[in-house]
Amino acid sequence: SQQGEEDPQALSIQEGENATMNCSYKTSINNLQWYRQNSGRGLVHLILIRSNEREKHSGRLRVTLDTSKKSSSLLITASRAADTASYFCATDSSASKIIFGSGTRLSIRP
Amino acid sequence: DAGITQSPRHKVTETGTPVTLRCHQTENHRYMYWYRQDPGHGLRLIHYSYGVKDTDKGEVSDGYSVSRSKTEDFLLTLESATSSQTSVYFCAISEAGTSRNQPQHFGDGTRLSIL
Repeated sequence: SQQGEEDPQALSIQEGENATMNCSYKTSINNLQWYRQNSGRGLVHLILIRSNEREKHSGRLRVTLDTSKKSSSLLITASRAADTASYFCATDSSASKIIFGSGTRLSIRP
Repeated sequence: DAGITQSPRHKVTETGTPVTLRCHQTENHRYMYWYRQDPGHGLRLIHYSYGVKDTDKGEVSDGYSVSRSKTEDFLLTLESATSSQTSVYFCAISEAGTSRNQPQHFGDGTRLSIL
């Protein structure tokens, strides 16, 4: 079963615009992670936010976490063609395992 | 990039044949994971290892077995491949478990087709 569910499933925006993806989960977590997957490649870790954190930044990425709503968002500012990829959230289901959502496919139009 | 090598990268085989996929890491990480990725399902955990000879099941472990005789190698075996096991398989490694807030690092996958 999937713990995290991303929304929207697909997103197409113009280069230079901001992209926002959301993730909802069902049970309490210790942390939530975001990953990127380029076509034909493995997942790349972007950012991890702990349950006691509300916001975290990394370059053009901004992640928020609302544990009361069991939701997180990933904002990519000033999007570039290279940001075209699938983005996955993942939540810890145990001390050793994480569960991935089904992802958001982001397309950046030139 | 984390030193993770998956082999083979592509494989086509027939139903009923045994298949072994290999994941090799050069990072000396304790945890290793095997996932499968199918359209509409994201990544699903098959098995994972938390040390040499220490393994446990994931959510889709039926039909798969694993072995880890060395820190650097984690093998995934399909004893008798079925068409439902056609998928892209990813290996991941992690320095420590998720409770210690450690990310996972992924290989580039093995595309397995079972005819």
